[in-house]
Parts: sequence; C-alpha cells; structure tokens
Amino acid sequence: AQSVTQLGSHVSVSEGALVLLRCNYSSSVPPYLFWYVQYPNQGLQLLLKYTTGATLVKGINGFEAEFKKSETSFHLTKPSAHMSDAAEYFCAVSPRPGGGNKLTFGTGTQLKVEL
Amino acid sequence: DTEVTQTPKHLVMGMTNKKSLKCEQHMGHRAMYWYKQKAKKPPELMFVYSYEKLSINESVPSRFSPECPNSSLLNLHLHALQPEDSALYLCASSQVDLGLAGINEQFFGPGTRLTVL
Repeated sequence: AQSVTQLGSHVSVSEGALVLLRCNYSSSVPPYLFWYVQYPNQGLQLLLKYTTGATLVKGINGFEAEFKKSETSFHLTKPSAHMSDAAEYFCAVSPRPGGGNKLTFGTGTQLKVEL
Repeated sequence: DTEVTQTPKHLVMGMTNKKSLKCEQHMGHRAMYWYKQKAKKPPELMFVYSYEKLSINESVPSRFSPECPNSSLLNLHLHALQPEDSALYLCASSQVDLGLAGINEQFFGPGTRLTVL
C-alpha cells in the first residue's frame, strides 16, 4: 500500500523567501510522484511530476522538486516566493504502470506568503 | 485541448431534490473519476470509470449514482442527500493504465461546489 506524508499543514514565508514544502512517501516500489496546487474554490492544477530519469524535476511557476529514493522524499521548492503562490499544495503518488490509476494524496500544506 | 469542464459551478439543493453534476473532457481519455473534497482536506476518490464501465466504487452511499454515457461525459446523479454531503465535487480524467511505460496523470476540472440544505 502507498501513503504520503506532508510535514506541516501550514507554512508561512515572506515574499522573496525560499519556499520548501515537504513530502515523504511510503511504497514498496518507487511510485510516480506529483505535486498539485489548488487555489481557493478551484480544481487541482498539476505543478510537476516525477516518473523516471532525472531526479530534479522542474515544473510551472518556478517550482521544482527533487526525488530522493534513499530518503523516500519529494520536497517542493521555489527560490523566491510570490504573493500569487499562496494556495493549498498536495503531494500525491500513483502506482507505476500496471498498478492502476489510483492517486493517493497527502493531507495538504497551506502556503501563506506575507509581505 | 487539455481541459476538463464541470457544470454547474455551484449548486444548492434540498434533501429531497434530485440533481445531476456533469463533467466533460475531449482529451481522448478513457478513465474518468469523481472525487469529493471537504474544506481543508485532500480529495477523496468516489468512483472510477474505465472504458465507460464502473471499475471502482469506494463504498459510496447509493444516494450518489454515477453514469458514463460515452467516453467524453461523466455524470453524478444526486438524490436524497444529507447536509454532510456538502463539498466540492471534482471530476478528473486520464489515460487508462495499460501496464505500459508512461504517465497516466490525472487532469482535474474546476469542480462543482455543492451545498445541501
């Protein structure tokens, strides 16, 4: 069974500061990994994903994440926060091909960006 | 076109009403999903359709009735709902997992905000 843990349900940063949102997964086989962002009263938008290959993944809006198998982590970072980054962020995992389409979400991290 | 559309955006209904939520995608995806999301919580999977057939029902109460009339459309019929069913209902679509290499990422719609009085 797969599971995802997001440390910190709320993260607050100053505008221009580094954003770091933590995600750890538990799976017998390295899964596919995703970060989604959700703005208030909207659906989920895919920020980035990791499947295979390069472990540093770049996504939209200046975000990136690094897959670290030894640490079972997939933390999301952005060098300089912008006010528009304030949103809910979800880390999610899905099985590799053949394992079904089911996404397992973390509990989410609310990012607040302050002036 | 990488968009999933959902109608209506907002819906208010009484506990005796019958209403339907609609979802549409034109990406050629043959897997479609319904999720329920309560405030400050992650989406919870309700149903999965694969090739227009129900493949997963996550023990959802029968007052929620899904329907997939064709490969582009997904409906969720609602009847005799309870106030605790008030939530954001999200639709998503993806390629079907055929056990082949490649990503089967899910694309989400904007959701329908449902309020049950």
